[in-house]
Amino acid sequence: EVQLVESGGGLVQPGGSLRLSCAASGFAFRNYSIHWVRQAPGMGLVWISRINRDGSAKAYAGSVKGRFTISRDNAKNTVLLQMNSLRAEDTAVYYCVCPTWGQPLLYEDYWGQGTLVTVSS
Amino acid sequence: QSVLTQPPSASGTPGQTVTISCSGSSSNIGSNSVYWYQQLPGTAPKLLIYRNNQRPSGVPDRFSGSRSGTSASLAISGLRSEDEADYYCAAWDDSVSGPVFGGGTKLTVL
Repeated sequence: EVQLVESGGGLVQPGGSLRLSCAASGFAFRNYSIHWVRQAPGMGLVWISRINRDGSAKAYAGSVKGRFTISRDNAKNTVLLQMNSLRAEDTAVYYCVCPTWGQPLLYEDYWGQGTLVTVSS
Repeated sequence: QSVLTQPPSASGTPGQTVTISCSGSSSNIGSNSVYWYQQLPGTAPKLLIYRNNQRPSGVPDRFSGSRSGTSASLAISGLRSEDEADYYCAAWDDSVSGPVFGGGTKLTVL
């Protein structure tokens, strides 16, 4: 069974840091790019970051560039999202995704269940 | 404000066909494939359509997608009560080197 399991969310004060983890199983993790997508309460989906299969290429949305860092460990089937200088507007459910976007060998998406990050004093 | 434009709401009665539109630009829908998602409350999005008109295994053929120019649409035929959900379109955007999403359409089955 394919699984993406996020962890690391929680309540943090503005200016603080959190590290999200995404643990993958049940598919050839090392062959695919992994993305993070977030959804603020009651709002739509927003792409945050992506990392290619060997970690050599990364990209970020403008809203998080310079504050968030994505990385992966293929030996542990894990992707990390280090989030620094957090702001109230970063409050959202964060999803780890192995998507069909730009990955022609995939015929379905894999999404985690999401982890809630709340930035508040 | 979302990069892709969707109507905020849509509705239909059981058995009807409902169409949800998604409008973009040359940097996204105009040059890349479109994807459609269904999201039920409290759950992760579920892929309904990939690469404009392909259905993942297990998605009923009541769901179909199309793309023309810088617009796309999702059609749901034989509407059922369990189709009541939020629907999102997505497409890769060359200007951001990542996917962009529509703001979502809340479908109500009357």
